[in-house]
Amino acid sequence: KAGVTQTPRYLIKTRGQQVTLSCSPISGHRSVSWYQQTPGQGLQFLFEYFSETQRNKGNFPGRFSGRQFSNSRSEMNVSTLELGDSALYLCASSSGAENHEQYFGPGTRLTVT
Amino acid sequence: AQSVTQPDIHITVSEGASLELRCNYSYGATPYLFWYVQSPGQGLQLLLKYFSGDTLVQGIKGFEAEFKRSQSSFNLRKPSVHWSDAAEYFCAVGAAGTYKYIFGTGTRLKVLA
Repeated sequence: KAGVTQTPRYLIKTRGQQVTLSCSPISGHRSVSWYQQTPGQGLQFLFEYFSETQRNKGNFPGRFSGRQFSNSRSEMNVSTLELGDSALYLCASSSGAENHEQYFGPGTRLTVT
Repeated sequence: AQSVTQPDIHITVSEGASLELRCNYSYGATPYLFWYVQSPGQGLQLLLKYFSGDTLVQGIKGFEAEFKRSQSSFNLRKPSVHWSDAAEYFCAVGAAGTYKYIFGTGTRLKVLA
């Protein structure tokens, strides 16, 4: 069974630009969560999607948004990039069952210059 | 306020020695507790989880953790560390029905040969 796939793996953007990151969950998984990981703030929850609906949201500004498609693939978008958005963005997929088994992808390393 | 504290940023142990990584949490609801491991360039891998029942839980790779409600702790242990255990370890807390986890800042484990 293929694992969680995130594309691209590395990205360099300039301040003010926008970026879209993609996550393909494990086949059959309907829940996708996104996290931002930085050395200063650690791992912070961005949002979770289940069956195309946002089920939970973290405390991030509206510049951070996401969506989930009918095939469970998810994208997150960051508009008007700031230097502080430089981070590793991790996606995790789950079947959504109560076992809380989340499988993380390798992440997308975003650098904002 | 909900939080997870991992008081040790770095820990160094010799191969074959025992290991204990500390985790304290503050959470309003009945907590679901997790330990994850992250190797360089990798996503997070679930080591073990605690929802209810027996307070000593066994995980993968020979790890175990003990939930102590009175101390709000969920410490991770391993009787004999292997060089391949060198990685960063994260404790996380959540609740039923949500993947909105709160992560600790991580403990980086170094293993001496």
